[in-house]
Amino acid sequence: GQNIDQPTEMTATEGAIVQINCTYQTSGFNGLFWYQQHAGEAPTFLSYNVLDGLEEKGRFSSFLSRSKGYSYLLLKELQMKDSASYLCAVRFYNTNAGKSTFGDGTTLTVKP
Amino acid sequence: EAQVTQNPRYLITVTGKKLTVTCSQNMNHEYMSWYRQDPGLGLRQIYYSMNVEVTDKGDVPEGYKVSRKEKRNFPLILESPSPNQTSLYFCASSLGTGVNQPQHFGDGTRLSIL
Repeated sequence: GQNIDQPTEMTATEGAIVQINCTYQTSGFNGLFWYQQHAGEAPTFLSYNVLDGLEEKGRFSSFLSRSKGYSYLLLKELQMKDSASYLCAVRFYNTNAGKSTFGDGTTLTVKP
Repeated sequence: EAQVTQNPRYLITVTGKKLTVTCSQNMNHEYMSWYRQDPGLGLRQIYYSMNVEVTDKGDVPEGYKVSRKEKRNFPLILESPSPNQTSLYFCASSLGTGVNQPQHFGDGTRLSIL
């Protein structure tokens, strides 16, 4: 996606921890969102960050650093069902309110 | 059940034959949006609507039209489809555009234009 970069693919082992990075070269957004998309299915919301720092939500955590233009999604205690694509996205505000930009997604494969 | 419903789910058609993909949400959301998803290009925003009768272009609006006559419906219209519009399309809605208002996506419509 324009101005948002994510690794294309990652592989990890069941039970492990994996960190999916997202770097962006854009400003004027009010929040950074992470979505999960299983193959052939719709994206579903996982987490969002507004302020810098870590947001924890069960096995999933997301981190944002606006000064570094960087976010990551942390998945703990990986399960086979976590094999999916993970999309990083920003939503803009003010004159661009309503616009959203997504990264191309990171395909995560969890192996036994 | 709260949901975003798209129809049809799959469509194969020919160049130039007008088509409409419907999108309906039952969550009383003000914001709705259309995206297309192509391999290697991620989700790209086509059009969005902040409320009834208010629509705006996203990043890739060429060749598409939308309308928002009612809050729940946001159809995507391809007046004269071309092969480069073959793609997977998603409709999404959210309460608004606030930071704690993530988008809810429909199940997708796979369009093939021959």
